[in-house]
Formats: sequence, C-alpha cells, structure tokens
Amino acid sequence: KNEVEQSPQNLTAQEGEFITINCSYSVGISALHWLQQHPGGGIVSLFMLSSGKKKHGRLIATINIQEKHSSLHITASHPRDSAVYICASEETSGSRLTFGEGTQLTVNP
Amino acid sequence: GAGVSQSPRYKVAKRGQDVALRCDPISGHVSLFWYQQALGQGPEFLTYFQNEAQLDKSGLPSDRFFAERPEGSVSTLKIQRTQQEDSAVYLCASSFYNEQFFGPGTRLTVL
Repeated sequence: KNEVEQSPQNLTAQEGEFITINCSYSVGISALHWLQQHPGGGIVSLFMLSSGKKKHGRLIATINIQEKHSSLHITASHPRDSAVYICASEETSGSRLTFGEGTQLTVNP
Repeated sequence: GAGVSQSPRYKVAKRGQDVALRCDPISGHVSLFWYQQALGQGPEFLTYFQNEAQLDKSGLPSDRFFAERPEGSVSTLKIQRTQQEDSAVYLCASSFYNEQFFGPGTRLTVL
C-alpha cells in the first residue's frame, strides 16, 4: 500500500524566510503532485513532476525518484503564502491520488 | 463552465438522513474522482469514473455510499442513513489527462 508522509505538520515562518516542506512516499509512482489548500477547502495544483525540478515564481519543487522523496521550497516567503500544502502521489498515469496529511504554513509579517 | 463546481457547498443532515452531493466536472474531462477529507487530514480516495464507467470504488467506506455518473458528465455521490463519522468535506476532481482539477468541496455535517 502506498503511503505518503509529509513533514513538518506545522510550520511558522517570518516574512522573507526560505521554506522547505518534505514529502516521502513508499512505492514507485508515475508523478508526484504538490497542491495548495486555502481555508474554505479549495485545492489548487502547484506542480506535477516525475523527475528533476520545476520552478514557478518563488516556488520550487524537486523530486528524487531513487530515494522516493520530494521537496517544496518557497523563497522570500510572504504572508499570502499561508495555506496548507499537500503532496500527493499518482501510482500510474491518470490514476487516483494518495495524499499526505498536509503541512499548515503560517507566514507572519 | 470554467472549473469544477459542486453543490451544495454546505449540507447539514440529521443522523439517519440520506444526502446527495453533486459534481459538475470541466466539460470534456473524461476522468472524475471523489475524495473525502476529514478535518485536519489529507483527502482520501473514494471512487473513480472514466466517462460513465465506475472503474474503482475501493475507497467507499461502506455500502451506504453510492456514486454514479450516468451520462459521463455530472456525478452524484449519495450517502444513505448518514452517520456522524460521515462528517467531512467531499471533494470532486476531474481530469482530461493526468492533472486533476478540484472543485470547492461540499462540507457535510451530520448531527
């Protein structure tokens, strides 16, 4: 059974700090997703990656397939980055997602 | 529509009541997923459709849960004889290839 674990569960940072959220998974996958969830429930896809590294603005996602590990980095964090960040694995292309429990990020001004 | 929509957004049910939750996927999206998210947890898979075919229902927690997508578009998740443990946010997602687009969810509270 695929298990996805995230750390930390909660993270508080000061505006401007560099943030890292980690994700590990237990079985081979076709893709790893990073998602953002704001209060009220809406989930937005940030990244979908199967190898290497992707960058979008201040967000960077990396994955190490051999170690079954991915990280999400936020550079120059801002209070508007405060949200729950969730990683999810996709075992085969187009299949269901298995989610981690999420990381609650709070960025203070 | 522009995105995935779900209705109602909030539902309060008395224990034992039946509820029906609706999902309108993005037009043309073949795949549709239902997930259940308990408070403070990550979402968990319930069931998956490809067009009108329900290909995987292994995540449905009991036979009180039933989902359908009769014309390969709109989907309904029905919960019979609701219990307090059914209280959660029910999320629907649709995809054309492998990126899933999520609806806002329906928050179900069973009293």
